[in-house]
Amino acid sequence: RKEVEQDPGPFNVPEGATVAFNCTYSNSASQSFFWYRQDCRKEPKLLMSVYSSGNEDGRFTAQLNRASQYISLLIRDSKLSDSATYLCVAWAGANNLFFGTGTRLTVIP
Amino acid sequence: ETGVTQTPRHLVMGMTNKKSLKCEQHLGHNAMYWYKQSAKKPLELMFVYNFKEQTENNSVPSRFSPECPNSSHLFLHLHTLQPEDSALYLCASSQARDSGRNEQFFGPGTRLTVL
Repeated sequence: RKEVEQDPGPFNVPEGATVAFNCTYSNSASQSFFWYRQDCRKEPKLLMSVYSSGNEDGRFTAQLNRASQYISLLIRDSKLSDSATYLCVAWAGANNLFFGTGTRLTVIP
Repeated sequence: ETGVTQTPRHLVMGMTNKKSLKCEQHLGHNAMYWYKQSAKKPLELMFVYNFKEQTENNSVPSRFSPECPNSSHLFLHLHTLQPEDSALYLCASSQARDSGRNEQFFGPGTRLTVL
């Protein structure tokens, strides 16, 4: 079983739509979670950190459900510039940091 | 953004060559990481240095050899690589491995092609 699992997509949504991605993790000791965005042939860039139940930053909201071991990322009012791959990361302390394979999002005009 | 820099950005090498990848971070962090990213696979953590001490070697073949002379610089020495080693090699840094938060900031990567 993979440490972190994501739906690879692709998710194709129109501009202005709301889209949500889910990410499940297998290590119940995971204590911190991160969402990164990665543009094609670029490095991952930190989008949001999640340490408790969730976090919100503008159009982006992350929710953590420890009981079910998943975190979600909600993007409201999608922009063309949101098109990217979104990586979910779970950290269980020390070197136990695991990335998902990413979810590809394309926002269509 | 120049928080974490990597050179070279692209590298083509033969299987008998020896080359080195360089990473430098200007964020005052104490932990540095090497990752390998292959197509359709999650990022694979290769090496971790925390306060210049290597704390992780994820069963990486010996043809990859890391070096961390100080908290700001990290190298990955390459020799006798295989074509399947072709990938994007990413360097990252964070405050410290056990800082409790561990947000990592990535460099732009070196795209390596082994012929």
